[in-house]
Amino acid sequence: GAVVSQHPSWVICKSGTSVKIECRSLDFQATTMFWYRQFPKQSLMLMATSNEGSKATYEQGVEKDKFLINHASLTLSTLTVTSAHPEDSSFYICSARDRSGGPLGTGYTFGSGTRLTVV
Amino acid sequence: DAKTTQPTSMDCAEGRAANLPCNHSTISGNEYVYWYRQIHSQGPQYIIHGLKNNETNEMASLIITEDRKSSTLILPHATLRDTAVYYCIVRVVSGNQFYFGTGTSLTVIP
Repeated sequence: GAVVSQHPSWVICKSGTSVKIECRSLDFQATTMFWYRQFPKQSLMLMATSNEGSKATYEQGVEKDKFLINHASLTLSTLTVTSAHPEDSSFYICSARDRSGGPLGTGYTFGSGTRLTVV
Repeated sequence: DAKTTQPTSMDCAEGRAANLPCNHSTISGNEYVYWYRQIHSQGPQYIIHGLKNNETNEMASLIITEDRKSSTLILPHATLRDTAVYYCIVRVVSGNQFYFGTGTSLTVIP
């Protein structure tokens, strides 16, 4: 089945630095990828939709200059948290949509997530 | 996308059926019901989806009421590994994004 690899699985960084998280579709081409953020004991919150070769679409309230998204190829999207602060500490999860769409919209696969801790 | 309402938490004895309800009273005719689950500190996993007919796969069964205003996810023989947060999502199949509600935290008890 479709596999989405997310790296790193966890990262600790100092306040003020930037952190890049990668999301790769291993065995399929993903024209669209999604980035979510999840705080402890809360649900997943969609941050942005990333389309290959074009600018990402951010959800209301998400700072596009702070969360830089690049989707340069059909198998890779990256999320860069710039000038990270402790309040950015969270679980970040990506999702990729199989280019074929999958049967009735089931072609969405989620990565295993990245635990970011900003100290 | 239609809003869904799920109980915050549920317990189920190991080996018994787990029945997870979801209300989606404002669902539109072209919206499907999807179920995902998230085991602690992992990404969500697709379980099942349906439009109006009951559906069954190797993981679970989905029962949708005739008026489509509610549905129930059934795990026929719950195991400890089924302990997770279960999300019911309603969306059009042609839609792009998945928006997650609060979900139901299911705990399977030995």
